[in-house]
Amino acid sequence: AQSVAQPEDQVNVAEGNPLTVKCTYSVSGNPYLFWYVQYPNRGLQFLLKYITGDNLVKGSYGFEAEFNKSQTSFHLKKPSALVSDSALYFCAVRSGNTPLVFGKGTRLSVIA
Amino acid sequence: GAVVSQHPSRVICKSGTSVKIECRSLDFQATTMFWYRQFPKQSLMLMATSNEGSKATYEQGVEKDKFLINHASLTLSTLTVTSAHPEDSSFYICSARNAGSGELFFGEGSRLTVL
Repeated sequence: AQSVAQPEDQVNVAEGNPLTVKCTYSVSGNPYLFWYVQYPNRGLQFLLKYITGDNLVKGSYGFEAEFNKSQTSFHLKKPSALVSDSALYFCAVRSGNTPLVFGKGTRLSVIA
Repeated sequence: GAVVSQHPSRVICKSGTSVKIECRSLDFQATTMFWYRQFPKQSLMLMATSNEGSKATYEQGVEKDKFLINHASLTLSTLTVTSAHPEDSSFYICSARNAGSGELFFGEGSRLTVL
């Protein structure tokens, strides 16, 4: 069975500092990994994905994530956080054509 | 870019009534759509997988007679919450898989409040 773990419910970071939101996964087969962001009362916005190729994936709004197969991780990073990055972030995984399985989400709070 | 439209975005209904939520892919064909439910401050829980022209596949614990899913065309899936009760109040999100590219796109969600 597929699963995603986001170990932190909340991440606080000062504006301008680097941020990391952690994600580990478990899947049989090759993983397809995704990060989404959700603002209050809105749907999910796609940030980035890893399917194959370079382990470092660059996405929207300056975010990037690194696929680490040995550690089964796909942590989301940004070199310099903005207050507008404050939102709920979801990591998700699927394999083949299986539905996406989401982590429980991590709330990012960027403080000015 | 590809857009998935959900309607209504918010709905308030009385207990015992039925509510229909639509999910449309606006510029691509979606042979598969997914319906998720999100409780406050929690993750998205997959309710069912909707395939065009066939019966939906429901996840364990989801009542198929309560949450009726219809996927009658390549651009439209509907979720009907029948005989709604206050515990059905939630944020419902659909996603649609582009039949050509395989990419997945999410709707903006529909907040249901049952009084």
